[in-house]
Amino acid sequence: DTAVSQTPKYLVTQMGNDKSIKCEQNLGHDTMYWYKQDSKKFLKIMFSYNNKELIINETVPNRFSPKSPDKAHLNLHINSLELGDSAVYFCASSHDYSSGYGYTFGSGTRLTVV
Amino acid sequence: GEDVEQSLFLSVREGDSSVINCTYTDSSSTYLYWYKQEPGAGLQLLTYIFSNMDMKQDQRLTVLLNKKDKHLSLRIADTQTGDSAIYFCAESTTGNTPLVFGKGTRLSVIA
Repeated sequence: DTAVSQTPKYLVTQMGNDKSIKCEQNLGHDTMYWYKQDSKKFLKIMFSYNNKELIINETVPNRFSPKSPDKAHLNLHINSLELGDSAVYFCASSHDYSSGYGYTFGSGTRLTVV
Repeated sequence: GEDVEQSLFLSVREGDSSVINCTYTDSSSTYLYWYKQEPGAGLQLLTYIFSNMDMKQDQRLTVLLNKKDKHLSLRIADTQTGDSAIYFCAESTTGNTPLVFGKGTRLSVIA
């Protein structure tokens, strides 16, 4: 009955590798997001995806690419991983960008690049 | 662009009230939210307030909004050790703009 699920929960990998994080929501939401939380716990939006429209935060390197096979999934693919990519990545979903219901977050994927 | 500011730390004694403050810059905010993050967990929506309201109460939580000063606060009455967490303020605006979060306030409750 998990609402927003991310896999894996932990990911340790070497610099230069390519990795993917999967996200699925069973809430029937139309919009999905990826947020990055750094070591100081600051949260920054990376991507949002609504009805096949992708909005990218201009500060996100193009090594990061979201892929949405359907409305319930928004996966994050990262090429050529760097040390600075180490962070916790959160997937979230909502009915739309602005509503009183807010966003439902997954439990996060802790990525460690060594 | 939007900016949301919070103080980073707050320490209170168990049983006291906690007040966490937030300021934001975007006057077109539609909803303002408070999220709670416990260690190793995702963010959990605590409460929200629509921008045309000035107060909302939900059990031990009271949200106050001063739209003129763009100031939002969260008061937790009778703070318990289980309230220790990071509290994030967030705002949404019109259009296709995702939530913008403050840097989070780490609340420590001393027994």
